[in-house]
Amino acid sequence: DADVTQTPRNRITKTGKRIMLECSQTKGHDRMYWYRQDPGLGLRLIYYSFDVKDINKGEISDGYSVSRQAQAKFSLSLESAIPNQTALYFCATSDPGGYQRDTQYFGPGTRLTVL
Amino acid sequence: AQKITQTQPGMFVQEKEAVTLDCTYDTSDPSYGLFWYKQPSSGEMIFLIYQGSYDQQNATEGRYSLNFQKARKSANLVISASQLGDSAMYFCAMREGAFGNEKLTFGTGTRLTIIP
Repeated sequence: DADVTQTPRNRITKTGKRIMLECSQTKGHDRMYWYRQDPGLGLRLIYYSFDVKDINKGEISDGYSVSRQAQAKFSLSLESAIPNQTALYFCATSDPGGYQRDTQYFGPGTRLTVL
Repeated sequence: AQKITQTQPGMFVQEKEAVTLDCTYDTSDPSYGLFWYKQPSSGEMIFLIYQGSYDQQNATEGRYSLNFQKARKSANLVISASQLGDSAMYFCAMREGAFGNEKLTFGTGTRLTIIP
């Protein structure tokens, strides 16, 4: 089984709809992240959480919200989806300790299309 | 200024040849980490290799090695004996910031195509 899972893997929705993307991990990591990827760009950080009670805005948080329901679960919501939120969304986890400190491990991605 | 610069949007390499993907970075933090990820056409992001700023030796992971030149602020990925399955996008990334406030910044990527 994959260590980091994302649901759904693909989603097509309409402008104005509320969408939730879910992420679960079995790696036991405290830190979790949400990124979006647009063609020709690298990944950009939306939100991150270093533990269940710690949630922080990233580079491009406008139009998004998150919920950290448990150590293993981190959800991303688009309150009112708009077409320029069409992108590939990744969840990631990391552990700040260890030799390869804070290496982030990614889920398979969710391809979201907003019509 | 860009924190991570990948100057090669695309590269074509003959199978079995070695390939170097360039990455330069910009930071004033003495403690930072450099990462390379592979993104095949299926879309997932696969961690390849890590180099810490205080590591004395260049990192190696199988056919991947990281040519870390600290004074030049470069962290090039070297893939030896390239294979068709190496065709993918490759992203360089840097972690910087004090403990508890780290951020990971990605470059724009290099698309590598291996030619049979």
